[in-house]
Amino acid sequence: GAVVSQHPSRVICKSGTSVKIECRSLDFQATTMFWYRQFPKQSLMLMATSNEGSKATYEQGVEKDKFLINHASLTLSTLTVTSAHPEDSSFYICSASTPGRVNEKLFFGSGTQLSVL
Amino acid sequence: AQKITQTQPGMFVQEKEAVTLDCTYDTSDPSYGLFWYKQPSSGEMIFLIYQGSYDQQNATEGRYSLNFQKARKSANLVISASQLGDSAMYFCAMREGRTGGSYIPTFGRGTSLIVHP
Repeated sequence: GAVVSQHPSRVICKSGTSVKIECRSLDFQATTMFWYRQFPKQSLMLMATSNEGSKATYEQGVEKDKFLINHASLTLSTLTVTSAHPEDSSFYICSASTPGRVNEKLFFGSGTQLSVL
Repeated sequence: AQKITQTQPGMFVQEKEAVTLDCTYDTSDPSYGLFWYKQPSSGEMIFLIYQGSYDQQNATEGRYSLNFQKARKSANLVISASQLGDSAMYFCAMREGRTGGSYIPTFGRGTSLIVHP
């Protein structure tokens, strides 16, 4: 099956620093990537949808300037948490999809656990 | 309104027994896809099974089957012969045809399944 690689798997950083998370589709062209945030024992909360070559579409309540998303190629999307604060600590997971159809399953990265001290 | 409802926050099952995880959905779109994902403690999201709104038969994948009742808008996951490794969070998700080209998936809150030896 298709593979989505997400790095890093875990990051600990100081408050005020920026953290970049990469999501790569290894064997298919991901025209769309979704970025999710997940708190312990809770569901996946969609943060934004990114389409290759265009600006990301952010969900209501998600700060565009804090969570910068770039989808510069069909195989790479990045999420940058700028000026991270302890409340940004969470599990972030990306998923990739081929051209959208209702029956296209999502392929997920393995997630990134972000801890901001 | 919730598009995906999973009413069981936690379920327990004895090893080798079958278990049903409930999922109801809400959509007015005639074209949609329903998915189940498993998330073990490692955090990765593992695709289990897919059911399309136009599929006549219930989907099956090994020990997983989907009890699709379209009129009742339910898509319950049945795991037969439970194994200790089935202990995980299980998420029901839906992709609709009219949410635009991205077919943004919606996830339920999840059900935590614990398999007892």
